[in-house]
Amino acid sequence: EVQLLESGGGLVQPGGSLRLSCVASGFTFTRQAMSWVRQAPGKGLECVSTITGSGAGTYYAESVKGRFTISRDNSRDTVYLQLSSLRAEDTAVYYCAKNAGMDDWGQGTTVTVSS
Amino acid sequence: DVVMTQSPLSLPVTLGQPASISCRSSQSLVHGDGNTYLSWFQQRPGQSPRRLFYMLSNRDSGVPDRFSGSGSGTDFTLKISRVEAEDVGVYYCMQGTHWPQTFGQGTKLEIK
Repeated sequence: EVQLLESGGGLVQPGGSLRLSCVASGFTFTRQAMSWVRQAPGKGLECVSTITGSGAGTYYAESVKGRFTISRDNSRDTVYLQLSSLRAEDTAVYYCAKNAGMDDWGQGTTVTVSS
Repeated sequence: DVVMTQSPLSLPVTLGQPASISCRSSQSLVHGDGNTYLSWFQQRPGQSPRRLFYMLSNRDSGVPDRFSGSGSGTDFTLKISRVEAEDVGVYYCMQGTHWPQTFGQGTKLEIK
């Protein structure tokens, strides 16, 4: 059974930073791209970043380019999302999803940007 | 980024009646490999999204056959032949042909 467990969310001030983690199990991690998708309160879904299985390729939504960094540690079956220069509009539930087609999702971790 | 536009945004449906959601993309979703990477997701209240279809019409495991996906190029449709109470939620289309992947705004299905 595929499991994706996100962590690292919390309350942070504008301009601050956070690192989100997603630990994966139940599949061959190195073979799968991984994505981070966020959902602001009462809003729709936005894919913020995707990383290829090897980690060589990374992609970002325009809204986070230059502020967020995706990475992965294939020895730990973990994908990360480093959030920097955070703004109020980054407040959201952040989900990790398996592969570019997002066939499995975690339960999400909440990031709140507020002073 | 590719813009995905769904309609309607709100869909009240009587139990047992059919429902249809449209999704249009700002550019063709036919990939260079010949596949069309268009997926549909369901998000029930308080839950994480769940994928229903991938590559236009391939149903994910456990998805009832009253759901169907179709379309081509820039025009796509999700249909429910007979709506049941468990279908309440928000439905999203997503394109994966051009990275980063982008979602439609979502269609909220409710029971009349």
